[in-house]
Amino acid sequence: GAVVSQHPSWVICKSGTSVKIECRSLDFQATTMFWYRQFPKQSLMLMATSNEGSKATYEQGVEKDKFLINHASLTLSTLTVTSAHPEDSSFYICSARSWTPEFNYEQYFGPGTRLTVT
Amino acid sequence: GESVGLHLPTLSVQEGDNSIINCAYSNSASDYFIWYKQESGKGPQFIIDIRSNMDKRQGQRVTVLLNKTVKHLSLQIAATQPGDSAVYFCAEKPSTSGTYKYIFGTGTRLKVLA
Repeated sequence: GAVVSQHPSWVICKSGTSVKIECRSLDFQATTMFWYRQFPKQSLMLMATSNEGSKATYEQGVEKDKFLINHASLTLSTLTVTSAHPEDSSFYICSARSWTPEFNYEQYFGPGTRLTVT
Repeated sequence: GESVGLHLPTLSVQEGDNSIINCAYSNSASDYFIWYKQESGKGPQFIIDIRSNMDKRQGQRVTVLLNKTVKHLSLQIAATQPGDSAVYFCAEKPSTSGTYKYIFGTGTRLKVLA
């Protein structure tokens, strides 16, 4: 149980275009989803927290107009990179928060999406 | 663009030996800690977690130790196997984080030598 999927797994786009990444919780409802960014050989950096039905909360330094997040349902959140540039090339990972009886903070991570902007 | 010149700390361990991966966390108010394993090109995989009211927790072949005095977390892997080769991250959840967000450590690459 507690599977999170991302689509696409990799995408190449041209500079100036926009690309949408989907994050789905397959077998549970996720009231909160998180979007991370990871550069090679670096750690995961939280970009934003997304709550179903409300606006996302962005971390300091993350441009909300560039990284549009929509969490329209309890099983789907989307991240749209608008007007992508080569410096936006990265590995984008989402996670979804699940409630478990003993530990109620656990996040389940998706497999990631590799974005390359040419 | 991508950053260059950054290298993850690497721990090389002989197959069958025990591995100890360390992590210094930043926030004394953190109340929940997790270890993740990440293989190349994949998302983080949950290994084990621990709450701040505990100092040790054991799983299958893994043990997490928490020392709140020095803000130190460790992951012990018993009888390390080739499949354990990956990058390991610790993550903390500050208790002040109403949104349950995690802060990830820098990561350690574990190389298992045959």
